[in-house]
Amino acid sequence: QVQLKESGPGLVQPSQTLSLTCTVSGFSLTSNSVHWVRQPPGKGLEWVGAIWSGGSTDYNSALKSRLSISRDTSKSQVFLKMNSLQTEDTAIYFCTGRGTSYWGQGVMVTVSS
Amino acid sequence: DIQMTQSPSSLPASLGDRVTITCRASQDIGNYLRWFQQKPGKSPRLMIYGATNLAAGVPSRFSGSRSGSDYSLTINSLESEDMAIYYCLQHNEYPPYTFGAGTKLELK
Repeated sequence: QVQLKESGPGLVQPSQTLSLTCTVSGFSLTSNSVHWVRQPPGKGLEWVGAIWSGGSTDYNSALKSRLSISRDTSKSQVFLKMNSLQTEDTAIYFCTGRGTSYWGQGVMVTVSS
Repeated sequence: DIQMTQSPSSLPASLGDRVTITCRASQDIGNYLRWFQQKPGKSPRLMIYGATNLAAGVPSRFSGSRSGSDYSLTINSLESEDMAIYYCLQHNEYPPYTFGAGTKLELK
């Protein structure tokens, strides 16, 4: 069945770089898109960006200068890298696949010194 | 960017009620509208896609509709398990995909 699982550090220092991995199973990255969505504590959902089946990417314009999404199709993994982290980036980060039909459990990322 | 204006932000209701949540799109999005349910501590769950289509495993008391630029999620005969926050998402024009601000459905 379709599964997505996020992994990465729970705590990142301000100004440092966040690196997250989304490992998927049950579908092919070369046929489906994967998106990243984040949710600050107690707040709503924010679309972060996506990598499409052909490998192209789109980003939230507010984050574009700090954000990179890539993938390794041989490992069925999608990567998110965001630099210059600030406290406002504290959130649960979800990966979602097959056009946002399936979601991972999310990973809480706290930006704090 | 397309704005999705979701209302109400909070919706007190009783078990057995029929409730409706609405999202208004700032530009034409066709039927590229999804509805998600999120319970505390859980990931969002897809409920409706293509504005009116029920996702797999979703109870038939849920339905989606469209009237012009207004998109609605209706729940007939509310059950306790329906208490959650509901979000709409437009994916017609991107980047970015845009979510509504959410509606918290709670027991009156």
